[in-house]
Amino acid sequence: GESVGLHLPTLSVQEGDNSIINCAYSNSASDYFIWYKQESGKGPQFIIDIRSNMDKRQGQRVTVLLNKTVKHLSLQIAATQPGDSAVYFCAEIRYGQNFVFGPGTRLSVLP
Amino acid sequence: NAGVMQNPRHLVRRRGQEARLRCSPMKGHSHVYWYRQLPEEGLKFMVYLQKENIIDESGMPKERFSAEFPKEGPSILRIQQVVRGDSAAYFCASSPLPDTDPKGYTFGSGTRLTVV
Repeated sequence: GESVGLHLPTLSVQEGDNSIINCAYSNSASDYFIWYKQESGKGPQFIIDIRSNMDKRQGQRVTVLLNKTVKHLSLQIAATQPGDSAVYFCAEIRYGQNFVFGPGTRLSVLP
Repeated sequence: NAGVMQNPRHLVRRRGQEARLRCSPMKGHSHVYWYRQLPEEGLKFMVYLQKENIIDESGMPKERFSAEFPKEGPSILRIQQVVRGDSAAYFCASSPLPDTDPKGYTFGSGTRLTVV
């Protein structure tokens, strides 16, 4: 069936380096994609979104890239900080339907 | 403006007992969604409700699980005769409209259910 998945379940990066978290999706009809950050003991927190008719969107220290040809989504975090340590989920949305979440990638920032 | 409020934050139940999880949506939000998260996994959709109506329960187990969102009061996710496999974090999200800008879709902090 339709699914959203991640290539890497864990990612360790040095503080100050850039992080790239990847996500593969299979539903080409999705309208919207969102990246969420989940810290321990908390609910998912919105980071950045991108519509299906875009291929790149930038926020503060974060960039999301969408490659519809290969159905791939990535989250880039610039100058990774200790506070970025968390689990990151991509979510796939079709309007009028519910969010489909990927399994998550744990990001660990090393001092 | 308080966010999505879930209580209790932690709930321990013995096998066979009932668990009741509450979710108060953000002010102005009339749509509520429940998700379950098993340890080290992503969130899985369970049910979508509007006031007094279940819109989509395609993710709910067929037995022991039920949900409601009454005209007054919080949304309730009820699990009867809990088993160890029900141990998970249960998250509630709310939105003002179903097809709203997804940024308006706000999650609560979850209820962590432990069945012993």
